Amino acid sequence: AQKVTQAQTEISVVEKEDVTLDCVYETRDTTYYLFWYKQPPSGELVFLIRRNSFDEQNEISGRYSWNFQKSTSSFNFTITASQVVDSAVYFCALSNTGGFKTIFGAGTRLFVKA
Amino acid sequence: GAVVSQHPSWVICKSGTSVKIECRSLDFQATTMFWYRQFPKQSLMLMATSNEGSKATYEQGVEKDKFLINHASLTLSTLTVTSAHPEDSSFYICSARDQGQTRTHYEQYFGPGTRLTVT
Repeated sequence: AQKVTQAQTEISVVEKEDVTLDCVYETRDTTYYLFWYKQPPSGELVFLIRRNSFDEQNEISGRYSWNFQKSTSSFNFTITASQVVDSAVYFCALSNTGGFKTIFGAGTRLFVKA
Repeated sequence: GAVVSQHPSWVICKSGTSVKIECRSLDFQATTMFWYRQFPKQSLMLMATSNEGSKATYEQGVEKDKFLINHASLTLSTLTVTSAHPEDSSFYICSARDQGQTRTHYEQYFGPGTRLTVT
């Protein structure tokens, strides 16, 4: 069975602080995809990143960075120098290569205070 | 980039009535679309997988007679909530898979969601 765990329900930080959102996954598939999405108050999901299970390279995109560690089944997301606009719910998700099902974690609600 | 639209964006209906939500892939063809439901402050839960030209596959615990799914074309899937009740009030999100992409490159595009309130 596939499962995604985001243990942090809510995180509150002050602007300019760095924050890491944790994601741990379970799957029996050898090939799979991991995702992070942002959901602002409007509700629309914003795609942030997709990572193939064979690609363990960490990635940086501006203030965002991702640390994929297959050995610990984790795919953590770090926001550097957080901003108020980063306030949202962030979801980690997992799908198989056929793309027929995407399983979402419970989400982490991030509050960034000015 | 690929765009998925949903209509309506929000709807209020009375208990006992039926509501239809449309999901369209605007610039690509989608043999497979997915319907999710999200209750307030909760995660997205997959309700069903909609396949063009065939019956939808429902997740365990989702009533197929209550949530009717029709995927009649490669760009349109509809979800009809029949005999809606207040507990069906939720945020419904669809997504579509671009069939034009190779099997090694998976991409799923999400719609903006439809907020349903049943009074």
